[in-house]
Amino acid sequence: GDSVTQTEGPVTVSESESLIINCTYSATSIAYPNLFWYVRYPGEGLQLLLKVITAGQKGSSRGFEATYNKETTSFHLQKASVQESDSAVYYCALGENQGGSAKLIFGEGTKLTVSS
Amino acid sequence: AQTIHQWPVAEIKAVGSPLSLGCTIKGKSSPNLYWYWQATGGTLQQLFYSITVGQVESVVQLNLSASRPKDDQFILSTEKLLLSHSGFYLCAWSRQGANTEVFFGKGTRLTVV
Repeated sequence: GDSVTQTEGPVTVSESESLIINCTYSATSIAYPNLFWYVRYPGEGLQLLLKVITAGQKGSSRGFEATYNKETTSFHLQKASVQESDSAVYYCALGENQGGSAKLIFGEGTKLTVSS
Repeated sequence: AQTIHQWPVAEIKAVGSPLSLGCTIKGKSSPNLYWYWQATGGTLQQLFYSITVGQVESVVQLNLSASRPKDDQFILSTEKLLLSHSGFYLCAWSRQGANTEVFFGKGTRLTVV
C-alpha cells in the first residue's frame, strides 16, 4: 500500500535558524498523489499548512515551502528562519481517492521545538 | 464558516467499559466524514469514512464501530474497550469528492486503564 516516511523527531532548532523536515512517499495506487503538510500546534486541532497537487510545483505558507519532486518521491518541508511560534508537530501526508472520498496517508509526525 | 466540534476532549476509561465519542460539523451540508486514530508513538490512520447519512465504511478493523445518525454528526463507539484502543482520535470532514481538503477537529485523548 501507499506510505509516507518523514524525519524522526523530536527536532530542536534555535530561533532564526533554518529548518528542513524530510518526507518521502511511496504511492502504488496512484501515480501522482496529492501531497500535504499538516501541522498541530499545542492545544489546537490538526490544520493544513500547505498542499501541492501537481508534480514539480512548490507550495508555500507562513514562510514554509515544500516542492513536489516525483523523481525522488519527496516533499521536504523547509523554512529559512524559524520562530518560537513554529513549535508544533508536523505531518506529511499523501491523498488517495477512496470511493469518492479523500483518504490521507500520514507520516509519523515530527515534533519541532524552536528554542529562543 | 464551517466548524467542527469534538467531544469529549479527554477520557480515562477502564478496560471492558463502553465508549462513545462524537463530533458535529456545522455550516456544511452533506460533508464526507472521517474518523482517524493515532496510537501513542504511532501514525495517524483512517478508521472510518462516510459519504452520506446512515452509511459508514470501515477502513481498519479495531473492534470499533461508527455511525452517522444525522448529516452533521459522526459517532465512534465500542461496547468493550481494550488497552490497545488508547490514543488520540480525530474527527474530520471534507467536501464531496476525493481531491478536497480535509478539515480536522481538535481531537479526543483516550486513555484505557
